[in-house]
Amino acid sequence: EVQLVESGGGLVQPGRSLRLSCAASGFTFDDYAMHWVRQAPGKGLEWVSGISWNSGSIGYADSVKGRFTISRDNAKNSLYLQMNSLRAEDTALYYCARQWLVRYPLDYWGQGTLVTVSS
Amino acid sequence: NFMLTQPHSVSESPGKTVTISCTRSSGSIASNYVQWYQQRPGSAPTTVIYEDNQRPSGVPDRFSGSIDSSSNSASLTISGLKTEDEADYYCQSYDSSSHVFGTGTKVTVL
Repeated sequence: EVQLVESGGGLVQPGRSLRLSCAASGFTFDDYAMHWVRQAPGKGLEWVSGISWNSGSIGYADSVKGRFTISRDNAKNSLYLQMNSLRAEDTALYYCARQWLVRYPLDYWGQGTLVTVSS
Repeated sequence: NFMLTQPHSVSESPGKTVTISCTRSSGSIASNYVQWYQQRPGSAPTTVIYEDNQRPSGVPDRFSGSIDSSSNSASLTISGLKTEDEADYYCQSYDSSSHVFGTGTKVTVL
C-alpha cells in the first residue's frame, strides 16, 4: 500500500525556519517525482515545489522562490522542504504527493502537516 | 507563468449534469495535459480525470473531461449528479518549470 506521511509542521514565528519531511513507503520511491502542495485554511490548492526522481530538475512557485528548498534522499525514501524566512501567508496544510511523469497527475497524496506562522 | 481560472461554485439537482470550466490565461491549453482533482472536506485530493480526458480506474464514467482550444479552456462534466459528488474540484496543468492549480470550484448537489 502506497503511503506518504508528512511531519515537521507546527507553530513558528515570522522570520523563523521549519523543515518538513515526507516518509514514503509501498512503492519504488526513486521511480517518481515528488511535490509539495499547500492549502491555506479555507482556500484552494497551491503548488509549492517539485523535484524529479534524481533531483536533477527542481521547480518552485514564485511565492516561495529563494526562501524554500526542496530535497530528497532516495536511500531513505524521504522528501524534505526547508522553509526559511517564514511569513504569515505561508500558514497552510502542506501535502506531499508523488507523480510518475510530468504529464501524469499527482496520484497519491499524504494527509498533510499543518504549518502556522504567527507571533 | 500562467493561471487557471474556474467558476467559484456551481450547483444542480441530483441526476442533472454540471460542467466546470478551467481557462488558461496564457499559452495554449492544448500544449500541456490537464488533470482534474476532487477534494472532499477534510481529505486530500484524488484524481478524477488525467491527460485531459482519461479516467483512473474506479472513477465512474459519469465523469468526463475535454479541452477546447477556441476558448483556451478545459472542462469537467459530471452527469447523473449524485450527492456524493458534492466536493471541491480543481484543474491542474504545467509548463516547463512549474505546476499550476486552478482556483477551484465548489459543487453543491441541491
